[in-house]
Amino acid sequence: QLQLQESGPGLVKPSETLSLTCTVSGGSISSSSYYWGWIRQPPGKGLEWIGSIYYSGSTYYNPSLKSRVTISVDTSKNQFSLKLSSVTAADTAVYYCARGGLGITMIVVVPRQYNWFDPWGQGTLVTVSS
Amino acid sequence: SSELTQDPAVSVALGQTVRITCQGDSLRSYYASWYQQKPGQAPVLVIYGKNNRPSGIPDRFSGSSSGNTASLTITGAQAEDEADYYCNSRDSSGNHHVVFGGGTKLTVL
Repeated sequence: QLQLQESGPGLVKPSETLSLTCTVSGGSISSSSYYWGWIRQPPGKGLEWIGSIYYSGSTYYNPSLKSRVTISVDTSKNQFSLKLSSVTAADTAVYYCARGGLGITMIVVVPRQYNWFDPWGQGTLVTVSS
Repeated sequence: SSELTQDPAVSVALGQTVRITCQGDSLRSYYASWYQQKPGQAPVLVIYGKNNRPSGIPDRFSGSSSGNTASLTITGAQAEDEADYYCNSRDSSGNHHVVFGGGTKLTVL
């Protein structure tokens, strides 16, 4: 059974870079059938997609965070990582990593795509404070 | 860019049926996926695609779509279904971006 586990500092100072790693166990991160994503949730608020990385190495980021985000993969360690630079208190959140999937259903002759995230890591709280 | 809109809160009597909706332009082109999140826990996928349930998700959970609205229906809600529910889909721009709805707090009375 695939499992994901986030790790990294729980406290980051303002203006510094937040760095988290997601370790994947029970399966290969190199599978072309899936992609890998980071999602965050500020305390008491909803989910926000941060970005995703595909098997090809292509990355896609939330436009609101794009200038500060880097997601990378280390296939030798079966891990993928998140770096978020110039953090502020607004970046305080529980950060989740998750495996992403894509599918397509044909409605008559019209294709309709969908994505999903499953499973998710347990999440790690990162607080930005001096 | 794209946004998904959900009602902040919905309630249902124990054993009754409840529908949680998600609206957005991207839902005209993409199916939504749905996640259940209980306090202090990570989200769990409950519905994806046209109406697919991952292994272990009870069949009282179902999904549907019409126009720009996706719906998650719980038929015969149980006390353990009380949770936050989030919808999610691809961004309508077609550039592999992803969006989440703001979430719906479901209370089972």
